Amino acid sequence: DAGVIQSPRHEVTEMGQEVTLRCKPISGHNSLFWYRQTMMRGLELLIYFNNNVPIDDSGMPEDRFSAKMPNASFSTLKIQPSEPRDSAVYFCASSRQRNGYTFGSGTRLTVV
Amino acid sequence: AQKITQTQPGMFVQEKEAVTLDCTYDTSDQSYGLFWYKQPSSGEMIFLIYQGSYDEQNATEGRYSLNFQKARKSANLVISASQLGDSAMYFCAMREPNAGNMLTFGGGTRLMVKP
Repeated sequence: DAGVIQSPRHEVTEMGQEVTLRCKPISGHNSLFWYRQTMMRGLELLIYFNNNVPIDDSGMPEDRFSAKMPNASFSTLKIQPSEPRDSAVYFCASSRQRNGYTFGSGTRLTVV
Repeated sequence: AQKITQTQPGMFVQEKEAVTLDCTYDTSDQSYGLFWYKQPSSGEMIFLIYQGSYDEQNATEGRYSLNFQKARKSANLVISASQLGDSAMYFCAMREPNAGNMLTFGGGTRLMVKP
């Protein structure tokens, strides 16, 4: 079991550029969550999917953010255009049953 | 209103002593789950322990135990025999089925273990 795999681990980009974060959930897990962690706001849920279908995206800050899950083994979170206030650690987590949520190692995004 | 409240931003504990990290929650659901995660300085989120709302006994996992007081809506984490490697951020989280089974996190407590 390789766990939840996120890439890249670190991303530094210039303001205005497009950023794509990637996540491979654990095989067999049918729920996938994207969280953002900042010092000011803590851990915030951005969006989550059940069986590849987006269920709740109310946490997505604005239209610059979008997420997709084209199949059970892959999800992306895209920010376009990126802004300095988007700098944060972005976590992906997956779950099969209600009791188990496994987090990836996170992507540290810095927008300069 | 805050769903998960962790009132201790930071705590110190002497190595080998026990420590309790507080967590209170707010929900109108009868069925829910409570989780604790550890986040060391390396940044990963490590699952520690889980308590279901219908579980009659307090959950335990090695040196971790959850002091679940349903009527008071509290789910405190107890770490026994603290070790230097326990120094980290600790997050309490709740899953509510009526909220789509997503996890809502508290603000965290930074625990520092003194040698």
